[in-house]
Amino acid sequence: NAGVTQTPKFQVLKTGQSMTLQCAQDMNHNSMYWYRQDPGMGLRLIYYSASEGTTDKGEVPNGYNVSRLNKREFSLRLESAAPSQTSVYFCASTVRTNQPQHFGDGTRLSIL
Amino acid sequence: RKEVEQDPGPFNVPEGATVAFNCTYSNSASQSFFWYRQDCRKEPKLLMSVYSSGNEDGRFTAQLNRASQYISLLIRDSKLSDSATYLCVVPLSGGYQKVTFGIGTKLQVIP
Repeated sequence: NAGVTQTPKFQVLKTGQSMTLQCAQDMNHNSMYWYRQDPGMGLRLIYYSASEGTTDKGEVPNGYNVSRLNKREFSLRLESAAPSQTSVYFCASTVRTNQPQHFGDGTRLSIL
Repeated sequence: RKEVEQDPGPFNVPEGATVAFNCTYSNSASQSFFWYRQDCRKEPKLLMSVYSSGNEDGRFTAQLNRASQYISLLIRDSKLSDSATYLCVVPLSGGYQKVTFGIGTKLQVIP
């Protein structure tokens, strides 16, 4: 019973490098989300995908791109990593907005 | 007014105590609400859903006050294992597929 799976769990990058964070859910959920969480701050929405084939910006989209590859997978890409993007990244999914979101166990990303 | 507001705490309470947190929200059209628990550097996990006036699950009770636009979480007989951050979550209405997370209230249960 996997739920929401994120890879990798940990990553260290150098400034300017690029990488893609992967997220997959096996609950047949329609909506998927990417959040970042920084110390002393709440979860901030980066991008979301209301349904397969659609993506929209959240609160803090600058420096990121996303792809909803299919209903199961939603990836987050950092094209040119910056130290300000050091954070814990969570992927989540839900069947619809008025239902609770289910979270992956996060990716801890450090950018030097 | 912020969309969702919580007192960040920390709330330090002795084992066995009863503690309550409030969460205020600005969107009067919101129909469903959630409380999540988040342990240090772990993912948020759903604690309770609130769709009408309230919900109860063992030692945990959530209540909704639509007139004053807040939800509360009451924890009775606090355990050491209840130490965590409690997040209030309010889905936005109007067809947007987004939710707003409160910053969370940190609870520390002391032996």
